[in-house]
Amino acid sequence: NAGVTQTPKFQVLKTGQSMTLQCAQDMNHEYMSWYRQDPGMGLRLIHYSVGAGITDQGEVPNGYNVSRSTTEDFPLRLLSAAPSQTSVYFCASSYSAGGNSPLHFGNGTRLTVT
Amino acid sequence: AQSVTQLDSHVSVSEGTPVLLRCNYSSSYSPSLFWYVQHPNKGLQLLLKYTSAATLVKGINGFEAEFKKSETSFHLTKPSAHMSDAAEYFCVVSEGRDDKIIFGKGTRLHILP
Repeated sequence: NAGVTQTPKFQVLKTGQSMTLQCAQDMNHEYMSWYRQDPGMGLRLIHYSVGAGITDQGEVPNGYNVSRSTTEDFPLRLLSAAPSQTSVYFCASSYSAGGNSPLHFGNGTRLTVT
Repeated sequence: AQSVTQLDSHVSVSEGTPVLLRCNYSSSYSPSLFWYVQHPNKGLQLLLKYTSAATLVKGINGFEAEFKKSETSFHLTKPSAHMSDAAEYFCVVSEGRDDKIIFGKGTRLHILP
């Protein structure tokens, strides 16, 4: 099994550009989420989804949109990139929301906004 | 409200000596607790989890953690460090079905030859 697959691995954007970070999982997991990782800040939750058609905001949602049209896919959209969005982005999934289910992570997308 | 504090941002140990990474949490209910490891340029990988069964939890690669409710701690230990253990480690707390998962800020483990 591939697990959680993120594309691209690296991306450079100019301020104001838009792009979509892709995330797909093949484990039939209900729960999917996006985090950003910045030095000294740990991981911060951007958006999450507890199932197809359901999304909700996390700790740092501003500047990002998500949708969940299928169980497998959970893309993250940057509508107008800003330098403050330079970060490493991780997608994660688990069998169910919160509680006992451990998270499975992709290998990350390193985004630089100039 | 739940929270998690990793008490050290960096820990250095010599190869072959014990490892201790400290984690304290706060939780209103019975929490689930996890440790994850992140090697350079990789995603996070589950090391071990506590979900109200045995208080001493064994994980992969020789790591274990002990849940101490009276001290609200969930420290990660390993008897003998290996060079391949050099990585960043995250303590995570979660409670209830719909509550968000809270990550600690991470502890970077350095292994000295």
